[in-house]
Amino acid sequence: DAEITQSPRHKITETGRQVTLACHQTWNHNNMFWYRQDLGHGLRLIHYSYGVHDTNKGEVSDGYSVSRSNTEDLPLTLESAASSQTSVYFCASSLTSHEQFFGPGTRLTVL
Amino acid sequence: GENVEQHPSTLSVQEGDSAVIKCTYSDSASNYFPWYKQELGKRPQLIIDIRSNVGEKKDQRIAVTLNKTAKHFSLHITETQPEDSAVYFCAASGGGADGLTFGKGTHLIIQP
Repeated sequence: DAEITQSPRHKITETGRQVTLACHQTWNHNNMFWYRQDLGHGLRLIHYSYGVHDTNKGEVSDGYSVSRSNTEDLPLTLESAASSQTSVYFCASSLTSHEQFFGPGTRLTVL
Repeated sequence: GENVEQHPSTLSVQEGDSAVIKCTYSDSASNYFPWYKQELGKRPQLIIDIRSNVGEKKDQRIAVTLNKTAKHFSLHITETQPEDSAVYFCAASGGGADGLTFGKGTHLIIQP
């Protein structure tokens, strides 16, 4: 069955390290998104992509980057991890202009 | 940018009663309003959505209403059941494939 997956599901890293979170979907969706979820803030948009080689900044993009080299994957990179980036990260994808479906999430802890 | 306010933050209702969660948005260009349900430790799941050309949409015990003039939309759950206990998020987005702007969530508690 088509699906959206994220890896790793849990990650502990140290301040200053580069971290990459993977997101892979097999729905052939053009649109992919990264959100972070924190208590008291709900979900906030980090970056999104409308297709291969397209990337756009969201509300909380500072300290994060993405690249889209194929339709299936949108990896999220934290260039130099900070404690403020401890969060749960969700990837999502959509085919049409609106309905988004979420991956299972990655819990990241930055010590 | 868009700003979405959601109330209440916690809602406790007796099993079998109705629950209503309300959201307001700021950007009049927003035209898509989904609701997500998230159980503890799980991913958000789309439960219902509405577009700006529709005033109301219903799916079994769940309904959503939209007032474009007032820029608010609401989720209505009737005949609540224990499995309705979760955190519910409203969201809004503009045209195209823009990302969603979420409210901060409502923790719905169904009392037996």
